[in-house]
Amino acid sequence: EIVLTQSPATLSVSPGERATLSCRASQSVSTNLAWYQQKPGQAPRLLISGASTRAAGVPARFSGSGSGTEFTLTISSLQSEDFAVYYCQQYKNWPPMYTFGQGTKLEIK
Amino acid sequence: EVQLVESGGGSVQPGGSLRLSCAASGFTFNTYWMAWVRQAPGKGLEWVASIKQDGGERFYVDSVKGRFTLSRDNAKNSLYLQMNALRAADTAVYYCVREDHATYVVWGQGTLVTVSS
Repeated sequence: EIVLTQSPATLSVSPGERATLSCRASQSVSTNLAWYQQKPGQAPRLLISGASTRAAGVPARFSGSGSGTEFTLTISSLQSEDFAVYYCQQYKNWPPMYTFGQGTKLEIK
Repeated sequence: EVQLVESGGGSVQPGGSLRLSCAASGFTFNTYWMAWVRQAPGKGLEWVASIKQDGGERFYVDSVKGRFTLSRDNAKNSLYLQMNALRAADTAVYYCVREDHATYVVWGQGTLVTVSS
């Protein structure tokens, strides 16, 4: 099983500043990595797939990078609506046991 | 509008059963893998099970193998999760999701399953 470790668990950032979230895989997943955003009481929303491709409708301030075992989600200038929990997910496995990281909570500083 | 609507959640005692349903609309259901993802209260996301377009392949997380059965009815645009021998650890919000190239683009609103005596 591929284990994803996200860091930090909680990140406190002021609006307008940059946020950098990390996701490390226990083995290479190539670029088979996605990022999701989840707000309280809502279903998750896909932000990034293929490690760096923004999903439809996702603002350009969200960007993803990395390959292999190290990945980063960057939010360039935080807006109030960006404070949420972010999960990474790998989809390299077959059969499709697509594991998630434990999440990073992005909170207002 | 692309939509997934879950139903069937509720409270059940340990050892009991529930059947979750997911009604899909706004897209060609029989051309997509479908899956269930769950989230225990205050916890992260966990993939539970996936099913191929024609139902011919199904995969489960180890913790539910032998207890949960995933099925679909393409004529009714519906996905089902039969859950037997439920445990407290199965308590979670269960999301029906559409797989798009192995990522989860479309999510339902979720249905809460509570297993407690």
